[in-house]
Amino acid sequence: AQTVTQSQPEMSVQEAETVTLSCTYDTSENNYYLFWYKQPPSRQMILVIRQEAYKQQNATENRFSVNFQKAAKSFSLKISDSQLGDTAMYFCAFMKHEAAFWDAGNNRKLIWGLGTSLAVNP
Amino acid sequence: EAGVAQSPRYKIIEKRQSVAFWCNPISGHATLYWYQQILGQGPKLLIQFQNNGVVDDSQLPKDRFSAERLKGVDSTLKIQPAKLEDSAVYLCATRGGGADSPLHFGNGTRLTVT
Repeated sequence: AQTVTQSQPEMSVQEAETVTLSCTYDTSENNYYLFWYKQPPSRQMILVIRQEAYKQQNATENRFSVNFQKAAKSFSLKISDSQLGDTAMYFCAFMKHEAAFWDAGNNRKLIWGLGTSLAVNP
Repeated sequence: EAGVAQSPRYKIIEKRQSVAFWCNPISGHATLYWYQQILGQGPKLLIQFQNNGVVDDSQLPKDRFSAERLKGVDSTLKIQPAKLEDSAVYLCATRGGGADSPLHFGNGTRLTVT
């Protein structure tokens, strides 16, 4: 079974600085997706960044980038130039990649970590 | 594009009472999920619909929880009777397009059972 571990329950960073959130996972699959989701106090889950395991290049989205180490099963999120609006819970998630053309049911479960609470301080 | 709409935003009930949550997906999104998120934890999948059919309800406590998605659009999640441990945020998420398209989440309903 797949598991996702976020070892940092809480973190804080000064505005404009850089912070890295860690995530490790365990799987025997070779093809899969990894995600970072952000959940601000409004409670809405927002996709921050996504990485396909078969891609060696680390995904980036503006100030957000990942360090994907497949062999080490590590998927950390780096937030550069932190902003007050980045204050939120951050969840790492895993999903198997089943490239079956008949998989129209989209029955792919997201496996979630417990989250890291990030506070950006002014 | 309008997002996933959920109501109510908050609900407080006493144990053994019943409660229902409503979700309106993004237009055209065939896949709909209900998640339970207990404070301090990640979301736990309760049920997944594909159109109006149930794909996965293996983690739904069927003795007290039920969900339906008539006509494959709106969905309701019901708890009857509620227990204290049901206090959580209930998130609805939908997905359109292919299986690799992203999930879109609603703002959730925060349920407090006293």
